[in-house]
Amino acid sequence: DSGVTQTPKHLITATGQRVTLRCSPRSGDLSVYWYQQSLDQGLQFLIQYYNGEERAKGNILERFSAQQFPDLHSELNLSSLELGDSALYFCASSGGPGLMNTQYFGPGTRLTVL
Amino acid sequence: GESVGLHLPTLSVQEGDNSIINCAYSNSASDYFIWYKQESGKGPQFIIDIRSNMDKRQGQRVTVLLNKTVKHLSLQIAATQPGDSAVYFCAETGGTSYGKLTFGQGTILTVHP
Repeated sequence: DSGVTQTPKHLITATGQRVTLRCSPRSGDLSVYWYQQSLDQGLQFLIQYYNGEERAKGNILERFSAQQFPDLHSELNLSSLELGDSALYFCASSGGPGLMNTQYFGPGTRLTVL
Repeated sequence: GESVGLHLPTLSVQEGDNSIINCAYSNSASDYFIWYKQESGKGPQFIIDIRSNMDKRQGQRVTVLLNKTVKHLSLQIAATQPGDSAVYFCAETGGTSYGKLTFGQGTILTVHP
């Protein structure tokens, strides 16, 4: 158990809908990262927050957004969902903002868009 | 863009053998490398990491080797066990990537009893 929690574990929804994925980092970690894992793209970095501020951005679609709250939990919002958004979404956390802080991953949320 | 790639997508070994999983990276600015293990239905699990100022690091039954000259990374697992069966990913970060990890494709390791 990495100490990172994610809810829900599974999510099934329809195209055009909006969903929110939630992540609680390990106790004491200030950085939260979101990744998408799909069969054709592998594990792709989406976005990083550090202590409530956006720190780095990957190939995150404009339909996707995230935030980190004062209690350090984070939410990833996916809107106008398309079939291709079906994937595993992982959250990771680390103690610091920088390059060499080990990222520990949560169990993921499996999103299925029908 | 630059990415991390794996030479072998699958590796099958007998229990008790040593396993070697390889990874090539192309970003010369990479200075921190991590190996993750992902079991079915679970998130990536940290195994071992290495910084660019080192060429070898050992953990429990695992060793990571880094060859910066040829931009190559390997994970050695000693006395491989059935519980080691999983997908193994190398990841790298460095330069202007800040906290972003770039993952390789992954290698499926299957250990036969």
